[in-house]
Amino acid sequence: GAGVSQSPSNKVTEKGKDVELRCDPISGHTALYWYRQSLGQGLEFLIYFQGNSAPDKSGLPSDRFSAERTGGSVSTLTIQRTQQEDSAVYLCASSLEARGIRGENQPQHFGDGTRLSIL
Amino acid sequence: DQQVKQNSPSLSVQEGRISILNCDYTNSMFDYFLWYKKYPAEGPTFLISISSIKDKNEDGRFTVFLNKSAKHLSLHIVPSQPGDSAVYFCAASGKSYRDDKIIFGKGTRLHILP
Repeated sequence: GAGVSQSPSNKVTEKGKDVELRCDPISGHTALYWYRQSLGQGLEFLIYFQGNSAPDKSGLPSDRFSAERTGGSVSTLTIQRTQQEDSAVYLCASSLEARGIRGENQPQHFGDGTRLSIL
Repeated sequence: DQQVKQNSPSLSVQEGRISILNCDYTNSMFDYFLWYKKYPAEGPTFLISISSIKDKNEDGRFTVFLNKSAKHLSLHIVPSQPGDSAVYFCAASGKSYRDDKIIFGKGTRLHILP
């Protein structure tokens, strides 16, 4: 389809393992965002890419979290040495660009998320 | 420190009536506000937005009102329909380029009653 695609849709892993989550944004979207939603919580901003660069990494909760984006398209979010508190739904979103010509935000289009469960 | 607050975790409204979802923010640098709707097991979908230069934006059954002095916005859905049952997230973003991350509230779960 033409929407944001995330894989895997579900991931169950043991504490201490590394996991890699993938996001395929909508073609032509230069801005890409990662969020996570823990049980009963809102969307927590993790990191934002404009093209391949990440001007804002402020939301990454610890140095176990990293993300990259190559070719201005696919992004991967990697969590090393997973902990139980990392269990959440990880959502990716993309938009045409962070700010439109008139200065307004471009609405973000979200994928369906990866549900990560750490045992 | 929660910059975007949705103080009602849930709301029940009779079908056909008006649903009013509220949102408060604390950062006076926010200048663009958005509402997203989320069904279970799906990602949020954009619903409607408003710039700080306006105080109202309408799109079909959905209207967003912005009160800058009170740092408050609300989403009105009228008439409410069963398919409107979902979690609604309020979101806000700031003026400068580097403030383009969007801050989300915790959401309000709307139940439309038959």
